[in-house]
Amino acid sequence: DARVTQTPRDKVTEMGQEVTMRCQPILGHNTVFWYRQTMMQGLELLAYFRNRAPLDDSGMPKDRFSAEMPDATLATLKIQPSEPRDSAVYFCASGTGTGEADTQYFGPGTRLTVL
Amino acid sequence: AQKVTQAQTEISVVEKEDVTLDCVYETRDTTYYLFWYKQPPSGELVFLIRRNSFDEQNEISGRYSWNFQKSTSSFNFTITASQVVDSAVYFCALNTPSGGYNKLIFGAGTRLAVHP
Repeated sequence: DARVTQTPRDKVTEMGQEVTMRCQPILGHNTVFWYRQTMMQGLELLAYFRNRAPLDDSGMPKDRFSAEMPDATLATLKIQPSEPRDSAVYFCASGTGTGEADTQYFGPGTRLTVL
Repeated sequence: AQKVTQAQTEISVVEKEDVTLDCVYETRDTTYYLFWYKQPPSGELVFLIRRNSFDEQNEISGRYSWNFQKSTSSFNFTITASQVVDSAVYFCALNTPSGGYNKLIFGAGTRLAVHP
């Protein structure tokens, strides 16, 4: 049963620290999405990759957030420096990239708490 | 503008009751895709169904069924004979060409509590 994996599952850090979240998409999937879930804003798309190339990161605060895909099996989302308002659950999702609209399969999420 | 409205914030039922979760969407695109996801207490988002705008046939999968009505821009989800394991937050989502087919636009979710 292929699944998206994310590490760490939980992260508590102090304001100003760097945070790196990792995602392993389903093998063979060529699209990767990063979402953030908060009580106030719900689920928001932060960034989207196709074939490892970033195609849309308009939802991401550019000054402190960065997303990369060093290779086809790893996507990273980095926050530097972190702030309390970044506290949220961050989800990674992957899709096959075929057809018009991918079905996005989500990982278990990383719950980030910034003190 | 694209939008998904799930007007029911929370629903509470007793096991074996049938329950319908409402989803109303807005889009000017004629081609679009609708999805339902389940978020159980463990937190992951589980894909349930995907439907494109040209397929208005209702779908049934076990105790789950979906009613897609373009005339009312609704894509409602019914659980028959609910079980405690159905307790979760359920999200309806929309994907459109205006959004580049990249972005899932989620509703706010409906929290379903099924009591024994």
